[in-house]
Amino acid sequence: GAVVSQHPSRVICKSGTSVKIECRSLDFQATTMFWYRQFPKQSLMLMATSNEGSKATYEQGVEKDKFLINHASLTLSTLTVTSAHPEDSSFYICSARQGFGQETQYFGPGTRLLVL
Amino acid sequence: AQKVTQAQTEISVVEKEDVTLDCVYETRDTTYYLFWYKQPPSGELVFLIRRNSFDEQNEISGRYSWNFQKSTSSFNFTITASQVVDSAVYFCAFGAGRDDKIIFGKGTRLHILP
Repeated sequence: GAVVSQHPSRVICKSGTSVKIECRSLDFQATTMFWYRQFPKQSLMLMATSNEGSKATYEQGVEKDKFLINHASLTLSTLTVTSAHPEDSSFYICSARQGFGQETQYFGPGTRLLVL
Repeated sequence: AQKVTQAQTEISVVEKEDVTLDCVYETRDTTYYLFWYKQPPSGELVFLIRRNSFDEQNEISGRYSWNFQKSTSSFNFTITASQVVDSAVYFCAFGAGRDDKIIFGKGTRLHILP
């Protein structure tokens, strides 16, 4: 099956610093990548949708200047949490889709971010 | 508006028992997709199944089976002869039309007791 990786798997940082999370599709070209956030014991909430070579589309309530998304190639998308604060501590999960519409999304293993 | 409801927040059963996880959705779309994902304690989401709205056939995969009923807008998931390794959070999800998004239910935390 399709494999999606994320790096790092876990990161601890000080408040005010920026953190970059990478999402890679390893064995397929991802037309679209999605970024989700999951707080403890809660569901996944979509943050943004990114298509290769174009600007990401952010969900309502998600600050685009705080969560910078770059989808520079068909196999790599990055999420940068700028000036992170403790309330940004969460589990960030990316997913990648090869086609369009409702093709299956394949999820990365997630990145646990802890902001001190 | 589209909505996915997983009414069971948490379920505990003893190993080898069968267990059914409920999923009810709301939509006005005629073309849509339904998904089930498993999230074990490690956190990684595991894809289990994708079903489109035109295919109401039930599906069986090993100990897993799915019952899709458009009449009741339900897409229930049954694990037969449950095992401890089945312990996880299970998410039902919905996607429709040109919209790329998948909407996740709140998940059902399943505990299989030895």
